[in-house]
Amino acid sequence: KQEVTQIPAALSVPEGENLVLNCSFTDSAIYNLQWFRQDPGKGLTSLLLIQSSQREQTSGRLNASLDKSSGRSTLYIAASQPGDSATYLCAVNLGAAGNKLTFGGGTRVLVKP
Amino acid sequence: GAVVSQHPSRVICKSGTSVKIECRSLDFQATTMFWYRQFPKQSLMLMATSNEGSKATYEQGVEKDKFLINHASLTLSTLTVTSAHPEDSSFYICSAPGGGVDEQYFGPGTRLTVT
Repeated sequence: KQEVTQIPAALSVPEGENLVLNCSFTDSAIYNLQWFRQDPGKGLTSLLLIQSSQREQTSGRLNASLDKSSGRSTLYIAASQPGDSATYLCAVNLGAAGNKLTFGGGTRVLVKP
Repeated sequence: GAVVSQHPSRVICKSGTSVKIECRSLDFQATTMFWYRQFPKQSLMLMATSNEGSKATYEQGVEKDKFLINHASLTLSTLTVTSAHPEDSSFYICSAPGGGVDEQYFGPGTRLTVT
């Protein structure tokens, strides 16, 4: 059974500092991995999708890496801003049974001005 | 990107009543949709996979007779919580895969409170 873990569970940084969020998974036979942002009481916004054949994806200040062999993905957010405060979730897709996602517990991020 | 909507965004109901939540893909067709439940300060837990034109498949521990799923068209799936109890109070979110790279798009969620 796939298990997804995110460390740390919470993170507080001053504005301008870079953020490093970690995600680990137990079954390396993934189809893809997706990072999401969730604001309190809201749905999920997709940030980056990494296919199993890719090592990283970048979008603006966001960069996500994937190391399948070690079962890890890292989300980097450069030059953090107060607007980056949210919960960040990673989810892995094993590709079977119609693209079901298994989520990590999330990392709650607070960027202090 | 693809857009998924949910209705209602919030609902309060009395214990013992039934509540229907709708999930719609607005600009794409979805033969499959997923229903998740999220308790406060916890992550999303998959409840069931909704399949257009056939029965939903439920995750272990989810009562299919309590959480009725109907995927009647390529753009609409509904989740009905029957005989709701206070412990069913939660945030319910649906998703659908869209686009050529299997990216999942999520609805804004429905906050259910059972009194």
